[in-house]
Amino acid sequence: AQKITQTQPGMFVQEKEAVTLDCTYDTSDPSYGLFWYKQPSSGEMIFLIYQGSYDQQNATEGRYSLNFQKARKSANLVISASQLGDSAMYFCAMREGISGANNLFFGTGTRLTVIP
Amino acid sequence: EADIYQTPRYLVIGTGKKITLECSQTMGHDKMYWYQQDPGMELHLIHYSYGVNSTEKGDLSSESTVSRIRTEHFPLTLESARPSHTSQYLCASSVGTAKREQFFGPGTRLTVL
Repeated sequence: AQKITQTQPGMFVQEKEAVTLDCTYDTSDPSYGLFWYKQPSSGEMIFLIYQGSYDQQNATEGRYSLNFQKARKSANLVISASQLGDSAMYFCAMREGISGANNLFFGTGTRLTVIP
Repeated sequence: EADIYQTPRYLVIGTGKKITLECSQTMGHDKMYWYQQDPGMELHLIHYSYGVNSTEKGDLSSESTVSRIRTEHFPLTLESARPSHTSQYLCASSVGTAKREQFFGPGTRLTVL
């Protein structure tokens, strides 16, 4: 079974509007971490935000916030006040376990296009 | 800004050639990783290392090999390149704690003719 599922191959958003990118995950490990990365057309992967399974509050980093719904196993990324520079691929990823020894599993990504 | 470097950024090469993709990081991270990514697709882990003289194969089978003789250096080698190896190769590193993200290099786009 897929550990990370991103069901939106592509999304469009008007500049200055907010957008939500969906991510669901599958794990039986009570300890895990969820990550979002941005990949512009240049190809590098840029870390955006992290949420731990035991974190009580949703993570926020500037215009990025993570809507963490543990019971539904979802970790959606919310980008507020979209900018043209936000146009990129966005990947959700998960690491199982607490030791940091385990590797990241990535979803298939969502291509976000910001419309002027 | 992460200090992880990959060379070359772009490589076009003929079938049968031996190639080495370089990856170096100056952050002292013990863990390093190689991912393969086809355009617009997800990343697949092909190799990883937990430290010097440690290398493991990842989830995706790959004909490449890696070495980790120094903490900062994690090169990937293809003994005989084939068109099926055409892809982007991303190197990453991280510290040993679960909460810390992986830092990625800029990637190498490999085309095998």
